[in-house]
Amino acid sequence: EPEVTQTPSHQVTQMGQEVILRCVPISNHLYFYWYRQILGQKVEFLVSFYNNEISEKSEIFDDQFSVERPDGSNFTLKIRSTKLEDSAMYFCASSESGGADTQYFGPGTRLTVL
Amino acid sequence: AQRVTQPEKLLSVFKGAPVELKCNYSYSGSPELFWYVQYSRQRLQLLLRHISRESIKGFTADLNKGETSFHLKKPFAQEEDSAMYYCALRPGGGNKLTFGTGTQLKVEL
Repeated sequence: EPEVTQTPSHQVTQMGQEVILRCVPISNHLYFYWYRQILGQKVEFLVSFYNNEISEKSEIFDDQFSVERPDGSNFTLKIRSTKLEDSAMYFCASSESGGADTQYFGPGTRLTVL
Repeated sequence: AQRVTQPEKLLSVFKGAPVELKCNYSYSGSPELFWYVQYSRQRLQLLLRHISRESIKGFTADLNKGETSFHLKKPFAQEEDSAMYYCALRPGGGNKLTFGTGTQLKVEL
C-alpha cells in the first residue's frame, strides 16, 4: 500500500538556521498538507497546497515558512530562520482530492532547534 | 473558529471492558468529524469518519449535533486497542483538520 514518506526522521539545527523538511506524497494525490505538533500539545494545521499554490494557511504559517513542490514527487516545507519555538514534530499529509477525501499522514520529522 | 475538545488525556480500561473516548466540538456550520489513531511508533491513521457510518476494528462513533459530540465507543476493549486517539474536525467544504489534544487509551490485562 502506498504511503507518504518524510525525510529526515530527525533534524537538529541551530537557532537562526534554515531548514528544509521533505515529503513524498502518495503519487496520485493532488492535495498536500503540513501539520505540526509541539511536544505535549495538539496537532496543528499549517498549510494546504493544491495546483502549485497555497490554498489555505494558518496564523502559524508566517513569512518564515514557505512550501514548494519542486518536482513531480517532492513537497517541501522551508523554515527560513528557525526559532526555539519551532521545535516540534512536523507531519506531511496528502489526499487524492480536497474536501471530503481522507488525508494520509507521513511518519513525521522531529525538528529540534538548539 | 472551530475547536475540538477531548477531556481525557489518559483512559485506562481492562481487557473486555467497554470503551468510550469523549470528543466535543464547537463549530457554527456543518462539520465533518473524524477519529485518527496513532499506535506506538506508527503514523497517524484514519480510524473512522462520521459520514461513513461504519464500524472499524469494532469501534463506532455517532455524530450528535444536539450535544456537539462525536464520542468513540467499543463494547469490548482488546489489548491491541492501546494507542493514542485523536478526534478531528473539518469544516464543510474546507480542507484543514482541527485536532483535539488526544486521549491515550491503555488496555490492561
